[in-house]
Amino acid sequence: QKEVEQNSGPLSVPEGAIASLNCTYSDRGSQSFFWYRQYSGKSPELIMSIYSNGDKEDGRFTAQLNKASQYVSLLIRDSQPSDSATYLCAVKTNAGKSTFGDGTTLTVKP
Amino acid sequence: EAGVAQSPRYKIIEKRQSVAFWCNPISGHATLYWYQQILGQGPKLLIQFQNNGVVDDSQLPKDRFSAERLKGVDSTLKIQPAKLEDSAVYLCASSLGVVGTEAFFGQGTRLTVV
Repeated sequence: QKEVEQNSGPLSVPEGAIASLNCTYSDRGSQSFFWYRQYSGKSPELIMSIYSNGDKEDGRFTAQLNKASQYVSLLIRDSQPSDSATYLCAVKTNAGKSTFGDGTTLTVKP
Repeated sequence: EAGVAQSPRYKIIEKRQSVAFWCNPISGHATLYWYQQILGQGPKLLIQFQNNGVVDDSQLPKDRFSAERLKGVDSTLKIQPAKLEDSAVYLCASSLGVVGTEAFFGQGTRLTVV
C-alpha cells in the first residue's frame, strides 16, 4: 500500500462543472496536508494547505480534511480549461516527513 | 521575493558519467528538499535538510547520490556514476521550517542519461 494514494484518473469534466479530487494517506501521524497543481513540463505550485478537520475555502478551491478517515479532498468549482493539470496531494507528518501521491490528471473540456 | 533557483535547467549525460545540480532556496527558508520526479509519478523525496543538517535521507541511493548544504543556504546534489534509470526531473524545494509549512519548488533540472 502506498503511503499517499490518489484517484488514478484521468478525470475529465466540462467547463463550469465541479471537479473532485481525492487523496487517502496511511500514516496517522500526518498533520499537514497540501494540494499542488503541476502543469505539464512545469514544477508543482502550491494551491491549498489544510491542517485541521473540516473545510477550507479559497476562491474556487475547497480543501476538505477528515483525519479519522485519513482522507483529504480538493473541490474545484466552476472549472476552467486553465485548471487542466495534474493535481498532487502531499502529506507531512509531525516529524516533518513529506510524501507525495502520484497525482490525478484533470482535463476541463470547453 | 525571489523564488527557489536551480541550475542547470537541462542536462544530458552518458551513463557512468557524473553530474551535479545546484539549488538556492528562498531567503530565510531553513528547510531544503531534493526530490526526484519520474514521468507519470509524484515527486519522491531524496533528501531533506534543516539548515545544514540532514533530517531525512532514507530514500537517497547513497552508493551513487550525494548532497550537501554548506552554510545552511545553497545545496548541491551529485550523481556519480549515473544510470539510465536516473533520467528524471530533479526538483529542489524550500520551506520556512520542517513541520507544518508549505514547500515552494524551483523550476527543476531535467536529466537525461543516455
